Amino acid sequence: GAVVSQHPSRVICKSGTSVKIECRSLDFQATTMFWYRQFPKQSLMLMATSNEGSKATYEQGVEKDKFLINHASLTLSTLTVTSAHPEDSSFYICSARSGGSQGYNYGYTFGSGTRLTVV
Amino acid sequence: GIQVEQSPPDLILQEGANSTLRCNFSDSVNNLQWFHQNPWGQLINLFYIPSGTKQNGRLSATTVATERYSLLYISSSQTTDSGVYFCAVGKAAGNKLTFGGGTRVLVKP
Repeated sequence: GAVVSQHPSRVICKSGTSVKIECRSLDFQATTMFWYRQFPKQSLMLMATSNEGSKATYEQGVEKDKFLINHASLTLSTLTVTSAHPEDSSFYICSARSGGSQGYNYGYTFGSGTRLTVV
Repeated sequence: GIQVEQSPPDLILQEGANSTLRCNFSDSVNNLQWFHQNPWGQLINLFYIPSGTKQNGRLSATTVATERYSLLYISSSQTTDSGVYFCAVGKAAGNKLTFGGGTRVLVKP
């Protein structure tokens, strides 16, 4: 089945530094990738949608200059949290969609998430 | 945008019990999926079910699209069923999903 690898699984960084999170589709080409943010005991909130080779589409209220998304290839999307602050601490999850239906999944596969702590 | 409401928000079950989780959505959708998030945060796709009924082992789901709700049934619950169950919907299959608030399930031995 489709597999999405997300790294790192956990990262602690100092306030003011930048952190890059990678999301790779291992056995399929992901034409579209989604980035979500999840606060403790809350639901997933979509941050942005990225399509390979084009600029990401950000949801309302998400700072595009703070959360840089790059989808340079059909198997890799990255999320960079720039000048991180403690309020950016959260669980970030990526999801990748293949170009066609996968029946049971209908093209959505989720990474295992990255827990970011900014100190 | 589409509003997705799940109930109940929390559910405590004794092992072996059955339960029903509900997902209401505010607009017509072409994509509806149920997910289980395990304690480590991994989202596992349970069902893609924009309409109709499906079963997978002890889990089954029914979506009544015309009435804008979906139900997830857990039968003979096990401790491994603990976690958060999310319903997510989309206006078109393959487009972005909007998640409900989730139902946090705890199955006690």
